[in-house]
Amino acid sequence: QKEVEQNSGPLSVPEGAIASLNCTYSDRGSQSFFWYRQYSGKSPELIMFIYSNGDKEDGRFTAQLNKASQYVSLLIRDSQPSDSATYLCAVNPWAPGGTSYGKLTFGQGTILTVHP
Amino acid sequence: NAGVTQTPKFRILKIGQSMTLQCAQDMNHNYMYWYRQDPGMGLKLIYYSVGAGITDKGEVPNGYNVSRSTTEDFPLRLELAAPSQTSVYFCASSLAERNEKLFFGSGTQLSVL
Repeated sequence: QKEVEQNSGPLSVPEGAIASLNCTYSDRGSQSFFWYRQYSGKSPELIMFIYSNGDKEDGRFTAQLNKASQYVSLLIRDSQPSDSATYLCAVNPWAPGGTSYGKLTFGQGTILTVHP
Repeated sequence: NAGVTQTPKFRILKIGQSMTLQCAQDMNHNYMYWYRQDPGMGLKLIYYSVGAGITDKGEVPNGYNVSRSTTEDFPLRLELAAPSQTSVYFCASSLAERNEKLFFGSGTQLSVL
């Protein structure tokens, strides 16, 4: 069973701080990694994806990937109350023949609360 | 451009009833998926399709069926509803295999009582 685990949360940070969200995955052959944000009662929306080891930055968001440690993280700088949501880590696993048909495995999510 | 449209938004079923959750996308995406999300949990894949006429099981297919007669539509059928099927159901689509972006519908909240 391929698993994706996220830090349990909930995570509470003050406005302006850095929020750090973590995710580990069990399938060493996993190919691509995604962070989705889900506001309460809404559907998930993609905020970051990363394929290669290292950091990828997009505005206030930085995704970090370490395939050797099977670890992916999301940093949110200058956190705002509007960042309060559930963050879902998702992994596109390895599959025979090289294609998984985009069947993502999701973690259980981390609830982030940014308080003023 | 409507994106992914799911209906209904809410539904209450009695045990043993059946229903179909509708999903349609107007982005000409080949890949479509059905996920369910239980409270406090991530999304689990029920069924997926890589094109019209091609469907396959995901992680939790028992109690469900799907069809894909057109590129646009991907309905999910619940037969003999059970309380364990109480969940939020999301339909999603993507353009290609390396799905940098899954487009999600707004979800269907289903309660089986």
